[in-house]
Amino acid sequence: AAGVIQSPRHLIKEKRETATLKCYPIPRHDTVYWYQQGPGQDPQFLISFYEKMQSDKGSIPDRFSAQQFSDYHSELNMSSLELGDSALYFCASSFGTSGDQETQYFGPGTRLLVL
Amino acid sequence: DAKTTQPNSMESNEEEPVHLPCNHSTISGTDYIHWYRQLPSQGPEYVIHGLTSNVNNRMASLAIAEDRKSSTLILHRATLRDAAVYYCILRGGSYNTDKLIFGTGTRLQVFP
Repeated sequence: AAGVIQSPRHLIKEKRETATLKCYPIPRHDTVYWYQQGPGQDPQFLISFYEKMQSDKGSIPDRFSAQQFSDYHSELNMSSLELGDSALYFCASSFGTSGDQETQYFGPGTRLLVL
Repeated sequence: DAKTTQPNSMESNEEEPVHLPCNHSTISGTDYIHWYRQLPSQGPEYVIHGLTSNVNNRMASLAIAEDRKSSTLILHRATLRDAAVYYCILRGGSYNTDKLIFGTGTRLQVFP
């Protein structure tokens, strides 16, 4: 079965540079979530999109922006990178936003290292 | 936000049953109990969820207390591949949100 695809899998950037992470949801899934997991920490919600509209926002820095495109893939844009942005970034997708029951399927993550 | 409380770590031997507890004393009547797990170097994956009745699937069983203030994830025969961090997450109802709020899960170690 098709899974969530994230690219790139690994990314190394310098401070103050920009990075773009891409997420391709499972076919027919219309909802995308982004999570950040720092070293030794639990995943933290950043932002989500449903039918190309932002549906929820968590503790996402103003330096970050994201969008969902017409084919439902999503991109997380990160500017003015800081050392503290080094983390695993997971994308998850689901069908619909029933919230209480729908399953989120996670991608393998993008490991970002900021030097 | 209603919180869940889980032990930081648990250990098991291979092929033995494992009972992973979760306390959620402030759960509301419309909150579902979800379990996700995260294997090393992988993204979280769904395990099971329930509302009031006990639930079984191919991965695990979920036993929910009658007052719903606690639940237990049961792995019937632990394998080395079950070594992961297990997260108990409340969703729906009182939260009005779709995001997963990960607390500090239980790190399960499985010994051969």
